[in-house]
Amino acid sequence: GDSVTQMEGPVTLSEEAFLTINCTYTATGYPSLFWYVQYPGEGLQLLLKATKADDKGSNKGFEATYRKETTSFHLEKGSVQVSDSAVYFCALSDFGFQKLVFGTGTRLLVSP
Amino acid sequence: NAGVTQTPKFQVLKTGQSMTLQCAQDMNHNSMYWYRQDPGMGLRLIYYSASEGTTDKGEVPNGYNVSRLNKREFSLRLESAAPSQTSVYFCASSAGGGGESYGYTFGSGTRLTVV
Repeated sequence: GDSVTQMEGPVTLSEEAFLTINCTYTATGYPSLFWYVQYPGEGLQLLLKATKADDKGSNKGFEATYRKETTSFHLEKGSVQVSDSAVYFCALSDFGFQKLVFGTGTRLLVSP
Repeated sequence: NAGVTQTPKFQVLKTGQSMTLQCAQDMNHNSMYWYRQDPGMGLRLIYYSASEGTTDKGEVPNGYNVSRLNKREFSLRLESAAPSQTSVYFCASSAGGGGESYGYTFGSGTRLTVV
């Protein structure tokens, strides 16, 4: 079945550092790809998405490019802030019905 | 504010007790979902409803039942709670259908402890 693999956390960075969180996927079809963010005590919020190969999703300084050849959707940000501390989930949806399959999440901790 | 509303936010149950988690959305979405979130396991789909009047099992349906009461509401019932059901439960909704794929809108979660 479809699956998503994310890098283990926590990822610990200093403010203004460069962030990369790796995500790779396995899918039988041609899925859409998403990054969700969960702040402490809250539900998940959609951060960005991409629906076809070479699409770049971006939001709030975060970006990720849909790489079909490497089945990857890595999340990047050039300069993280303390307020970016959260858990980040990579996910894919099967195109026919849109059930989302989530990775296990990566906790990001940013210190001043 | 438009979105997904879950109740209650916190609940403690004794083993064997029953309860229903409520979820309502006001975005006129067709599809609704129940997930559970456990440490190190991400989110796992319990049940989903592609449209009003239909429900289907997800990855971990055992011990749960659901009801799609109308287009807005989708409830999750634990008939006889077990400690293994201690988790954070999230309801979500999406526009559904084919074509352009949309993301989900999540509720803020219900933290359930079974003792």
